[in-house]
Amino acid sequence: AQKVTQAQTEISVVEKEDVTLDCVYETRDTTYYLFWYKQPPSGELVFLIRRNSFDEQNEISGRYSWNFQKSTSSFNFTITASQVVDSAVYFCALSELGGSNYKLTFGKGTLLTVNP
Amino acid sequence: DTEVTQTPKHLVMGMTNKKSLKCEQHMGHRAMYWYKQKAKKPPELMFVYSYEKLSINESVPSRFSPECPNSSLLNLHLHALQPEDSALYLCASSRRAGTSTDTQYFGPGTRLTVL
Repeated sequence: AQKVTQAQTEISVVEKEDVTLDCVYETRDTTYYLFWYKQPPSGELVFLIRRNSFDEQNEISGRYSWNFQKSTSSFNFTITASQVVDSAVYFCALSELGGSNYKLTFGKGTLLTVNP
Repeated sequence: DTEVTQTPKHLVMGMTNKKSLKCEQHMGHRAMYWYKQKAKKPPELMFVYSYEKLSINESVPSRFSPECPNSSLLNLHLHALQPEDSALYLCASSRRAGTSTDTQYFGPGTRLTVL
């Protein structure tokens, strides 16, 4: 069965600090996809990244970077030089190619608060 | 453009009312989804439409009735709801049907309050 664990329930940082959000997953499938979504207070889930299990290259997009390590089943997300606008709940999610169709398994989310 | 729109943004209804939520996408996506999200929880899948046909119903009570009039539109009809149904209702779409591995793009949601 697939499972996603985001152990950090809440994180609070001061603007310009770097922050890493952890995501650990469990799956029996060899082909799977990992996602990160951002949910600001307005409610919309904003897609950030999709990564398949065969692509272990780390990714950087502006102040955002992702570290995918199959050896530790982790897909961590780092925000560099955080800003107040980064305040949101961040969800990590997993889907298996051979799993239940349509099923995205979400972690419980990490609430990030960036204080000015 | 990866936009999914939802109306209304907010809805307050009594337990005897009938109302509908609407979702629209013009990306040519073949799968559309309804999720329910309670405060401080991740979204929970309710329904999936694949090529305009209902393919997944996650044991949702019959007071929630989905409808897909065409490939761009998804409705959720509400009737005789309970206060515990108060939540954020999110619509999503993805390019291909029959797989969860495509990116799902979410709308802004409808905040529903049942009195």
